[in-house]
Amino acid sequence: SQQGEEDPQALSIQEGENATMNCSYKTSINNLQWYRQNSGRGLVHLILIRSNEREKHSGRLRVTLDTSKKSSSLLITASRAADTASYFCATDGQKLVFGQGTRLTINP
Amino acid sequence: GAVVSQHPSWVICKSGTSVKIECRSLDFQATTMFWYRQFPKQSLMLMATSNEGSKATYEQGVEKDKFLINHASLTLSTLTVTSAHPEDSSFYICSAARGDYGYTFGSGTRLTVV
Repeated sequence: SQQGEEDPQALSIQEGENATMNCSYKTSINNLQWYRQNSGRGLVHLILIRSNEREKHSGRLRVTLDTSKKSSSLLITASRAADTASYFCATDGQKLVFGQGTRLTINP
Repeated sequence: GAVVSQHPSWVICKSGTSVKIECRSLDFQATTMFWYRQFPKQSLMLMATSNEGSKATYEQGVEKDKFLINHASLTLSTLTVTSAHPEDSSFYICSAARGDYGYTFGSGTRLTVV
């Protein structure tokens, strides 16, 4: 069964705007990871946040983690057309389990 | 950086035949690899965990006799879809754990059974 649930399932914004995706999970975790997948391709690891961290930055990416609410968010600032992809959160307890993903479309 | 090479990237096979997909870690050793299946516009579903030198651990509902996994070395895991049928058509992706660096994924294999 899926561990993470992303919200929204689909998001369409204009280039330059910020995109925020949320992820909720059910059980305790060691860390939470975000991945990007371009259509028909493999996954690219974006960022990992440990269970004892609350926020992490990497370039235009900002990830937060709230273990009390079992939720995480991924913020992409100043979006670009190349950011168009599906984004998945994955929780790493005993194994990596993916959420349903958010399909992000950046309109030029 | 660490690379996982997956081959083939796409394959078309006839119903009833078997297909082997390879997953190689190119510059690191992977004692554990994972195999996922992904249907169009859906998430990745973990099929099995492949451990070097031992039997794979399959997720509930995954037929181990149909999806044969072999992890004979620290750099190679293979998934064989036996007696493939059209419903096995899917996107298969492997990954290897890299500790604090998360997981490295192969580029995936698009299997079409006709």
